[in-house]
Amino acid sequence: DQQVKQNSPSLSVQEGRISILNCDYTNSMFDYFLWYKKYPAEGPTFLISISSIKDKNEDGRFTVFLNKSAKHLSLHIVPSQPGDSAVYFCAARATTSGTYKYIFGTGTRLKVLA
Amino acid sequence: DGGITQSPKYLFRKEGQNVTLSCEQNLNHDAMYWYRQDPGQGLRLIYYSQIVNDFQKGDIAEGYSVSREKKESFPLTVTSAQKNPTAFYLCASSIVGNREAFFGQGTRLTVV
Repeated sequence: DQQVKQNSPSLSVQEGRISILNCDYTNSMFDYFLWYKKYPAEGPTFLISISSIKDKNEDGRFTVFLNKSAKHLSLHIVPSQPGDSAVYFCAARATTSGTYKYIFGTGTRLKVLA
Repeated sequence: DGGITQSPKYLFRKEGQNVTLSCEQNLNHDAMYWYRQDPGQGLRLIYYSQIVNDFQKGDIAEGYSVSREKKESFPLTVTSAQKNPTAFYLCASSIVGNREAFFGQGTRLTVV
């Protein structure tokens, strides 16, 4: 079963507007949530993360919001730029007996229109 | 320059042959991971390792094997038992307990 879900496979946004990418999770034991950006045929690049004890983390144009009661997080990109066009993956870190692993969603393809 | 190197970038193999994908890192990271990406399915965890000579199965370990003889290296063998080996394979590493994992550039494996 999918523990991390990104229900929107794609999103189109006009340049300069806000992009909002959503992610839902089922395991309340995840301790960190992360967003990665990926271009075709390349490895994902880390963007921003948030601890499970926080509700917001901001880094420049990128802000991640965490709603633990709803098991939902979102990535806001403001203002959106054409260079932001990529696939965005939500990930969650799980800790089991001192080992860490990252569980990824299926990704959302963002297209920023000039 | 520190980083994670996956080689080769493209790999072709005949059906029924085993193939080994290389992953090397010089970041002094303890933990290493292998993921597989298929269209519409995101990144799925194959194997991961926190320390040398120890590794754990991920969600889709069947048909794969790994070794961790050195901290810097975590090779993945795709065996003939893997039913659908054609995919994009990604290696990652992290400092144990640190927030994020860093990825290599991936290897596209095509089995014909």
